Amino acid sequence: SQQGEEDPQALSIQEGENATMNCSYKTSINNLQWYRQNSGRGLVHLILIRSNEREKHSGRLRVTLDTSKKSSSLLITASRAADTASYFCATAAGFAGNNRKLIWGLGTSLGVNP
Amino acid sequence: NAGVTQTPKFQVLKTGQSMTLQCAQDMNHNSMYWYRQDPGMGLRLIYYSASEGTTDKGEVPNGYNVSRLNKREFSLRLESAAPSQTSVYFCASTRREGGAYGYTFGSGTRLTVV
Repeated sequence: SQQGEEDPQALSIQEGENATMNCSYKTSINNLQWYRQNSGRGLVHLILIRSNEREKHSGRLRVTLDTSKKSSSLLITASRAADTASYFCATAAGFAGNNRKLIWGLGTSLGVNP
Repeated sequence: NAGVTQTPKFQVLKTGQSMTLQCAQDMNHNSMYWYRQDPGMGLRLIYYSASEGTTDKGEVPNGYNVSRLNKREFSLRLESAAPSQTSVYFCASTRREGGAYGYTFGSGTRLTVV
């Protein structure tokens, strides 16, 4: 079953522009994670934000979390051609100590044109 | 530091054949997972092992078996392959269930069943 739903499904921008993608989810969560997947490769963990956090930064990445709206956004600033990939959100839900599995969205496909 | 290593990278099977996908991690992680990724379906959990000596079914376990051989290794076996099992398979690991840790993924096995 899918919990996270990314929006948009696909995004095409020019190098140097900012890219914003969103993730909505349905149930209460302990944390939310963003991953990147380059074509034909495995997923790479980008950033994790806990349910009691509202914003987190890592390099050119900025993640926000609004638990009242059950949504998160991932902002990539000053995009590069190398940022071309699919981006997935995943939510960890359940009681503390019992986060048995991440629940994954279907991803946003980002294309950055040089 | 190799991270998560999966073998083989590609495999073609005939319907009814069996095979084992191997996965090993060198990060001293406790929890390991097997996913399949299909277009439009996202990542679906097949089986997982929260810790050495335990395994549990995920979302789509039918037609698969797993073995947590030791802390490092977690194998996935297809006893009688079917065309519906054509997919890309990913192994992942994390430090432990219940903690706010990201997952580390292998590079995947692309399996075709004809």
